[in-house]
Amino acid sequence: AQKITQTQPGMFVQEKEAVTLDCTYDTSDQSYGLFWYKQPSSGEMIFLIYQGSYDEQNATEGRYSLNFQKARKSANLVISASQLGDSAMYFCAMREGTGGFKTIFGAGTRLFVKA
Amino acid sequence: NAGVTQTPKFRILKIGQSMTLQCTQDMNHNYMYWYRQDPGMGLKLIYYSVGAGITDKGEVPNGYNVSRSTTEDFPLRLELAAPSQTSVYFCASREGQVYEQYFGPGTRLTVT
Repeated sequence: AQKITQTQPGMFVQEKEAVTLDCTYDTSDQSYGLFWYKQPSSGEMIFLIYQGSYDEQNATEGRYSLNFQKARKSANLVISASQLGDSAMYFCAMREGTGGFKTIFGAGTRLFVKA
Repeated sequence: NAGVTQTPKFRILKIGQSMTLQCTQDMNHNYMYWYRQDPGMGLKLIYYSVGAGITDKGEVPNGYNVSRSTTEDFPLRLELAAPSQTSVYFCASREGQVYEQYFGPGTRLTVT
């Protein structure tokens, strides 16, 4: 069965420092994709970054990068130069198969950025 | 573009009542999804649709029904509401070739 695991319920980081949020996954599909979403206290879901299983380069979007290690089945999110506005819940998610009809989410990591 | 809109934003239901959560998108996306998010948890897929007239079950479909008569609308029906259905409900949509999902603002439902 497909599964996403986020083992860090909460993380603290000092403003302007980098932080890594962990995500491991389990799937028997050869084609799959991994996402990270941010959920601020206001509740909306904000797409951050996507990595396909066949993408050779790690995905980057501004201050966000996805450290994809296929053999270890991990897809960690790295946020560089943390800002106070980065305080939020972060969810790792995985789409199933080529069609990608279904997406499963991890339980999330709450990030606190300290001034 | 309004994106994905959901109504209502908040609702309190009594046990056994029924209601429909509305979801509309104006991006001409074929794929639409309903998720629920319980307190402190990630999202769980209830139902999804790959186009008008086509729907399928997700992880937690029991107690819900959906229909997709148009590309724009994907309503979620709760029959015989139960306290276990207290949750925040998110609707989302995406294009066929792009995997990123666009989410609505959510509906907070309480069943008492």
